[in-house]
Amino acid sequence: EAGVTQFPSHSVIEKGQTVTLRCDPISGHDNLYWYRRVMGKEIKFLLHFVKESKQDESGMPNNRFLAERTGGTYSTLKVQPAELEDSGVYFCASSHYVDEQYFGPGTRLTVT
Amino acid sequence: AQSVTQLGSHVSVSEGALVLLRCNYSSSVPPYLFWYVQYPNQGLQLLLKYTSAATLVKGINGFEAEFKKSETSFHLTKPSAHMSDAAEYFCAVSAGEYNFNKFYFGSGTKLNVKP
Repeated sequence: EAGVTQFPSHSVIEKGQTVTLRCDPISGHDNLYWYRRVMGKEIKFLLHFVKESKQDESGMPNNRFLAERTGGTYSTLKVQPAELEDSGVYFCASSHYVDEQYFGPGTRLTVT
Repeated sequence: AQSVTQLGSHVSVSEGALVLLRCNYSSSVPPYLFWYVQYPNQGLQLLLKYTSAATLVKGINGFEAEFKKSETSFHLTKPSAHMSDAAEYFCAVSAGEYNFNKFYFGSGTKLNVKP
């Protein structure tokens, strides 16, 4: 069974540019989550999809962040325009049941 | 909101020594609790979880953790460290009774194992 995959693994962009991160969950997992870790601090929840619907987006920092999950399969997280404080590692996770989330390797985003 | 505190951002032990990584949480309702490990250049891997069953939870690679409600703790232990245990460890708690989907993580503890 393939795990959660994320693309790209690294991205370096300039302030003001746009970046789109992609997450492919484990097949059959209706729940998909985005988290972010900034500068070695704690990993923070961003949002949660159930299939294609946003169940909880309380962790999204501001309206420069847009997450989508069309068709209930893969998800994208777009940052537009990117700011310096958006740098960090963005993790995606998926689950079938609520008591176990499977994480991807993360995308390291650097905004210069 | 929940919060998780991991005492010690870096812990160093000798190979064969006891590993103890501390985690305290705040929660007004019985939580679900987790330990994840991240090896270099890899994603987070679930080590073990507590979901209101036995308070002593055994995980992979010889790790275990004990849920102590009175102390609001969920410390991770391993009797004998191995070089391959060097990694970063994260404690996490779910958001509580009505939202088990939202995890709160600690800041992580990097474990160094000396030969």
